[in-house]
Amino acid sequence: AQKITQTQPGMFVQEKEAVTLDCTYDTSDPSYGLFWYKQPSSGEMIFLIYQGSYDQQNATEGRYSLNFQKARKSANLVISASQLGDSAMYFCAMRDKRGYQKVTFGTGTKLQVIP
Amino acid sequence: EAGVVQSPRYKIIEKKQPVAFWCNPISGHNTLYWYRQNLGQGPELLIRYENEEAVDDSQLPKDRFSAERLKGVDSTLKIQPAELGDSAVYLCASSSIRGRETQYFGPGTRLLVL
Repeated sequence: AQKITQTQPGMFVQEKEAVTLDCTYDTSDPSYGLFWYKQPSSGEMIFLIYQGSYDQQNATEGRYSLNFQKARKSANLVISASQLGDSAMYFCAMRDKRGYQKVTFGTGTKLQVIP
Repeated sequence: EAGVVQSPRYKIIEKKQPVAFWCNPISGHNTLYWYRQNLGQGPELLIRYENEEAVDDSQLPKDRFSAERLKGVDSTLKIQPAELGDSAVYLCASSSIRGRETQYFGPGTRLLVL
């Protein structure tokens, strides 16, 4: 069974500082994909970044990077130079073949950026 | 390119009443998903369509929930009758290439059942 764990219900970060949001996963499938989504208070889920299990390098998208440690089954999101607009819920998600391509989401981390 | 469109954005109904949500996916996306998101939790899949075929509806409470995607484009999710516990945000998402690509979400419909 798929499982995504986000152990940080809430995080604070000072504006312009970097922050790491933790995510661990559990799957027996060698082929899987990991996603991070941002959900502001408006409710829309915004795709941020994707990491495939066979990707050789950690994914990066602008200020977002994914610290992918396959042996530890972790896929932490790093946000550099935090901005006030980064305040939102952040969800880690995974898709694998044994789940028939179903995407399973974690419980989320609420990030608050402090001016 | 237009994103995933959902309507209505908000809905308040009394229990035992029916309710329907509509979703229009991104153009060219064959796979469409309906999720339910309870307060403080991540989205949970209700049903996944590939074109007009429902390929995963294992989490859909079929006694009261139904969905359709007749022409393989837009979709409707219905609840009849609604219960208090159905209060949640209902999210629609779409992706291309049989769900192996990134899912893009609509703004969601916030349902409150009184």
